[in-house]
Amino acid sequence: QSVLTQPPSVSAAPGQKVTISCSGSSSNIGNNYVSWYQQLPGTAPKLLIYEDNKRPSGIPDRFSGSRSGTSATLGITGLQTGDEADYYCGTWDSGLSPGGVFGGGTKLTVL
Amino acid sequence: EVQLVESGGGLIQPGGSLRLSCAASGFTVSSDYMTWVRQAPGKGLEWVSVIYSGGSTYYADSVKGRFTISRDNSKNTLYLQMNSLRAEDTAVYYCARSPYCINGVCYFRWYFDYWGQGTLVTVSS
Repeated sequence: QSVLTQPPSVSAAPGQKVTISCSGSSSNIGNNYVSWYQQLPGTAPKLLIYEDNKRPSGIPDRFSGSRSGTSATLGITGLQTGDEADYYCGTWDSGLSPGGVFGGGTKLTVL
Repeated sequence: EVQLVESGGGLIQPGGSLRLSCAASGFTVSSDYMTWVRQAPGKGLEWVSVIYSGGSTYYADSVKGRFTISRDNSKNTLYLQMNSLRAEDTAVYYCARSPYCINGVCYFRWYFDYWGQGTLVTVSS
């Protein structure tokens, strides 16, 4: 059971838009920045979004992020078959046992 | 160019010990926050431990008291000493970096901009 809650899977057609939600609490998302990672099969995770809505160099603006209250959202527009991957949200939890936390991951299928 | 290369994984019996290494290049491990993240087969990411640039350490409850994170500044290498290993510790272990100072601006940044390729630890008899 992950501290952050993500839908197990989402799907959409090429060219369409999809959003992935990440729900937490006041001790994590409510008070800390959220980051998002893409993991292609058999590879290490890759940073997509950091500090809620910033994109590292080289990440296309088809990827966007937002945070409100205790939830965060990753948006992907103009879906491509190469976007098929697992997506994870992550943040710091400042609660009784401080540490990093991740969502359970969302499998994106581009139909 | 920033690079992280893990090593030290393998097959180990329950109750055994293993030390993972993460050799860094292109930056100084003591200047940033360094983290271990693991991923059990077919499962999601799980944060394991972090060592701050100042030396403070934190652990996931699942490994507290059994795992120790450390670094060797002279070798620019991060370590994870894993003792009393259990079957549920079986996973690919990744090291990752969180930058502390960017362009002279330093603050707690909790995201991982560089990851290693991972090393597989299998705990089984």
